[in-house]
Amino acid sequence: KQEVTQIPAALSVPEGENLVLNCSFTDSAIYNLQWFRQDPGKGLTSLLLIQSSQREQTSGRLNASLDKSSGRSTLYIAASQPGDSATYLCAVMNTGFQKLVFGTGTRLLVSP
Amino acid sequence: EPEVTQTPSHQVTQMGQEVILRCVPISNHLYFYWYRQILGQKVEFLVSFYNNEISEKSEIFDDQFSVERPDGSNFTLKIRSTKLEDSAMYFCASSGTGKGANYGYTFGSGTRLTVV
Repeated sequence: KQEVTQIPAALSVPEGENLVLNCSFTDSAIYNLQWFRQDPGKGLTSLLLIQSSQREQTSGRLNASLDKSSGRSTLYIAASQPGDSATYLCAVMNTGFQKLVFGTGTRLLVSP
Repeated sequence: EPEVTQTPSHQVTQMGQEVILRCVPISNHLYFYWYRQILGQKVEFLVSFYNNEISEKSEIFDDQFSVERPDGSNFTLKIRSTKLEDSAMYFCASSGTGKGANYGYTFGSGTRLTVV
C-alpha cells in the first residue's frame, strides 16, 4: 500500500529565502507525481506534474525533482514571497491505478 | 484556463438527510473523481469514473455513496443518509485523455459539507 510522507510538516522563513520541501513514497512503481498548493479552506491548485520517466520539472520559481528509485521528490522554491504562504501537497499515482495518494502536506509561512 | 466547477461551496445538512454535490468537469476530460478532506487530515480518494461507470473506489465509498453523470456535463456525488463523520471538504477533479498521466489532475474549489 502506497504511503506518502512530507517533511517538514511546517516551515516558516523570511521573504527572499530559497527553500526545499520533501516528499517520500514507499512504493516506487509510480506513474507520475504531482505537487499541489492549497490555500486555507480552498481547493487544490496543480503546480507541477512529473512523469515517472522524468527527473525534474520547472515552472517559474518552482522546480520539482523526482528520484523514483529512492522514492523521493523535492519541491524547490526560489526567492520565496509572502504570497507563497500555503500548504503544499505531494501526490503520487501508482502504475495501473487512476487515484492519487496524498501526503499530509507542508504548511509554509513566508514572512515579509 | 479551463476549470472544474463545484456547487454549492458550502452545504449544511441534518444527520440522516440525503445530499447531492455537483461538479462540472473540464469538457474534454474523460476521467472524473471525488476526493474528500476531513479537517486537519489528508486528502483521501473516494471514487473514479470513466466511460459512464465506476473504475475504482476506496473503502470509504460504501453503499451510502453513489456517483452519476446524468447529462454529459455534470458529475454528481450523492450521500444517501449523512452521518456526522461525513463532514468534510469534498473535491471533484477531472483528468485528460491519458489516465491522468499526460495532463495531471484539475481540482475544483470544493464543497464544504457540514452534517449537524
